[in-house]
Amino acid sequence: GEDVEQSLFLSVREGDSSVINCTYTDSSSTYLYWYKQEPGAGLQLLTYIFSNMDMKQDQRLTVLLNKKDKHLSLRIADTQTGDSAIYFCAESEDSSYKLIFGSGTRLLVRP
Amino acid sequence: DTGVSQDPRHKITKRGQNVTFRCDPISEHNRLYWYRQTLGQGPEFLTYFQNEAQLEKSRLLSDRFSAERPKGSFSTLEIQRTEQGDSAMYLCASSRGLAGGDGDTDTQYFGPGTRLTVL
Repeated sequence: GEDVEQSLFLSVREGDSSVINCTYTDSSSTYLYWYKQEPGAGLQLLTYIFSNMDMKQDQRLTVLLNKKDKHLSLRIADTQTGDSAIYFCAESEDSSYKLIFGSGTRLLVRP
Repeated sequence: DTGVSQDPRHKITKRGQNVTFRCDPISEHNRLYWYRQTLGQGPEFLTYFQNEAQLEKSRLLSDRFSAERPKGSFSTLEIQRTEQGDSAMYLCASSRGLAGGDGDTDTQYFGPGTRLTVL
């Protein structure tokens, strides 16, 4: 079945880069997403990548996709304390369909 | 604010009681989704609607759960005879429902959730 795996925790120093990794099993995944969840707030879509791409950059965020290895990563450049949150990787088979989420990576940014 | 809203934000109930949650999507969004999130986990898909039609239900949605979207706008999720295992955050999301072009996605916008505690 569909499965999305993430490491549980990442701690970085303010100003460093953060890299959050994700692996997925569904070879029919066509869209892969990164969501951010802060305490008491809803999930916020950060960025997404279509499966025929291998990289997407959006300001401080860089997404890398290795479709062969079913590996997705999110790099946050110049990480700030406001980036501390839980980051979820998600995939879907269709652009307008249910999302399958990982269990989330908690990012802690130390001053 | 025209985001997705959910009501109530918190609900505490006793085991065996029925509860109902409401979700108001972003206006003109055709698709509405319900997810459940337990502590330390990512959201799990429950069901979704295209306008008023319920198109898919997860096997997580037991017979005690029912969702409706009678006029294609707001939706309700009812849980009958609640159990302690139903304690979770129930998230609603909505999207325009447009078919994605190459590289486009139909972004799902999430509400703040309803936190259910079953005692």
